Amino acid sequence: DTAVSQTPKYLVTQMGNDKSIKCEQNLGHDTMYWYKQDSKKFLKIMFSYNNKELIINETVPNRFSPKSPDKAHLNLHINSLELGDSAVYFCASSQLGGVTEAFFGQGTRLTVV
Amino acid sequence: GQQVMQIPQYQHVQEGEDFTTYCNSSTTLSNIQWYKQRPGGHPVFLIQLVKSGEVKKQKRLTFQFGEAKKNSSLHITATQTTDVGTYFCASPTQGGSEKLVFGKGTKLTVNP
Repeated sequence: DTAVSQTPKYLVTQMGNDKSIKCEQNLGHDTMYWYKQDSKKFLKIMFSYNNKELIINETVPNRFSPKSPDKAHLNLHINSLELGDSAVYFCASSQLGGVTEAFFGQGTRLTVV
Repeated sequence: GQQVMQIPQYQHVQEGEDFTTYCNSSTTLSNIQWYKQRPGGHPVFLIQLVKSGEVKKQKRLTFQFGEAKKNSSLHITATQTTDVGTYFCASPTQGGSEKLVFGKGTKLTVNP
């Protein structure tokens, strides 16, 4: 019954590998986000999708590619992982962009070794 | 650049003391939202303020939105150990409400 669920919760991988994180929301929201939280706890927006269309793409390396097969899902694929990609990645959704509150998934702690 | 500046970055208090975190913006904000993230957890929505000068309370928490809608504060009265965590303000950017931008957060620790 989790509103926003993302998998996996933990991901440990070697440099150079490709990995994906999946996110699903069952709230019927139109907007979904990916945020990156670094070791200092700063929450930086990476992507924003509205009704499965990309709205915002922050200055994120093109090794990061989001995909939204439908408005309930927003997956994040990362190519050629680097040490600096280690962080917690949060998926979130909201009914109407930043106008309404965001609901966050549990986070995926990515460690690149 | 960052939409909202949040201070302080860290705050250590003794249990029972009060705590306040502040968010400031150079531009008028359409709304301001507050979130709490417990250690090891994810951000959880607390409240949203929309109107100029708005004040809302949730038990020991008081949220204010400035008259000019450029600043906001979260005040906790008589902190408890359960208040520990990082408190974030967030606001949609101007000209693009699809983007919810967060302040850098204030990490609160409470000594029992």
